[in-house]
Amino acid sequence: DQQVKQNSPSLSVQEGRISILNCDYTNSMFDYFLWYKKYPAEGPTFLISISSIKDKNEDGRFTVFLNKSAKHLSLHIVPSQPGDSAVYFCAASGRREPAQKLVFGQGTRLTINP
Amino acid sequence: DTGVSQNPRHKITKRGQNVTFRCDPISEHNRLYWYRQTLGQGPEFLTYFQNEAQLEKSRLLSDRFSAERPKGSFSTLEIQRTEQGDSAMYLCASTLLGNTEAFFGQGTRLTVV
Repeated sequence: DQQVKQNSPSLSVQEGRISILNCDYTNSMFDYFLWYKKYPAEGPTFLISISSIKDKNEDGRFTVFLNKSAKHLSLHIVPSQPGDSAVYFCAASGRREPAQKLVFGQGTRLTINP
Repeated sequence: DTGVSQNPRHKITKRGQNVTFRCDPISEHNRLYWYRQTLGQGPEFLTYFQNEAQLEKSRLLSDRFSAERPKGSFSTLEIQRTEQGDSAMYLCASTLLGNTEAFFGQGTRLTVV
C-alpha cells in the first residue's frame, strides 16, 4: 500500500517559471511532511518541511502548501533555475510514532530547460 | 566534512556472498536509520537505532539482514547469502531525537550478479 504518492514521474519547466510538484497521502496519522531533493549518485538532501498545524511554509524560492482535508501537499519553486533539475521526493512522518520514520513517495524528476 | 558518511559507495558481489556496509552518522546525532531504494521508487525504511539500541525493524528486513550500532556511533548493515533482489541503493540517515528532518549519506549501491 502506497501511503505517499507522487503521481507525476516527471515534470519539465522553463527556466524562470514556476515549478509545482504534487504529493498525496492516505494515512491520517501523518502530521509532518518533508521534501527532499536528490541528484544522481547522491543521497537525498532535505529541502523544506511543514507541520500539520500549518498550511504554508516558505524558505526562499521554495514554498510548501498543505491541504489537510484533501490530504495533499505541493512544493512550489519560483523562479526555477537549471540547478533545480533533480528528483524530488515527498516524505511524511507521524511525530507521535516512536520511530518517526519517513515514508517516501516515488519521486518526480524535475527538468528545468534554459 | 561533518555529514553522514557511507562506505563503500559501490559494491558488486556474486549471489550467495555476504556483504557489509558501514555508516558514520553526524557525530552528535543519536538516531540512525537505514533505508533501501530501488529503481523508480522512493527510499523505504529498514530499521533504526536510538543510540546503540535497535528499536524497530521493517518486515522488509529478512533474516538475512542484520544491523548493529555498537557504542551508539557508527553502524553496520550486513546481508548474508545475497540474492539478486537485494540489488539496491542502501541509504543511511541520522538525526537528533525529536527532530524529523533526517540527514542522508550518499548511499551504497549494491549490485548482486
